[in-house]
Amino acid sequence: EVHLLESGGALVQPGGSLRLSCAASGFTFSTSYMTWVRQAPGKGLEWVSSITSSGSTAYADSVKGRFTISRDNSKNTVDLLMNTLRADDTALYYCTKGHWGDDWGQGTLVTVSA
Amino acid sequence: DVVMTQSPLSLPVTLGQPASISCRSSQSLVDRDGNTYLHWFHQRPGQSPRRLIYKVSNRDSGVPDRFSGSGSGTDFTLKISRVEAEDVGVYYCMQVTHWPLTFGGGTKVEIK
Repeated sequence: EVHLLESGGALVQPGGSLRLSCAASGFTFSTSYMTWVRQAPGKGLEWVSSITSSGSTAYADSVKGRFTISRDNSKNTVDLLMNTLRADDTALYYCTKGHWGDDWGQGTLVTVSA
Repeated sequence: DVVMTQSPLSLPVTLGQPASISCRSSQSLVDRDGNTYLHWFHQRPGQSPRRLIYKVSNRDSGVPDRFSGSGSGTDFTLKISRVEAEDVGVYYCMQVTHWPLTFGGGTKVEIK
């Protein structure tokens, strides 16, 4: 069974940084794309970033240059380093297997506020 | 970017009756490989999204057969043949043919 566990969410001030992490199990992590999707309070889903099995990355324009996705195939983890955080980055951040939304974690909440 | 437009925004339905949700894309979702990468998700209140349908019409494992997906090109539909209480929540379409990946705005299904 696929299991995705996000962590690292917190309350952070505008301009601050945060690193989210997702621990994966139950599938062959090293051959899977991994993706972060976020959902602002009361809003819809927004794709944030994806990383291929070989480490190629893609980002939404709204986070490009501020967020960095990375993976550690030895630990089955995917991280999202978020810099220069803004109020509109406030959201529940989901880790998903693949880039088709195959499976989702429970999410980790990021709140950007002074 | 490909804009995904869902309608209606809200869909009150009677238990046991059918329901239909539309998803339109601003450009064709047919990939160079001939596949159409349009998926449907369901998010119950307070829960993570769950994929129901992948590549237009393929039901995921464990998804009841009352759910069906259809469409082509830029016009897609999710149908529920007979709505049950557990079907409430928000439904999203998502395209993964073009980067950046994009979601529809969501359709909220509620029981009348």
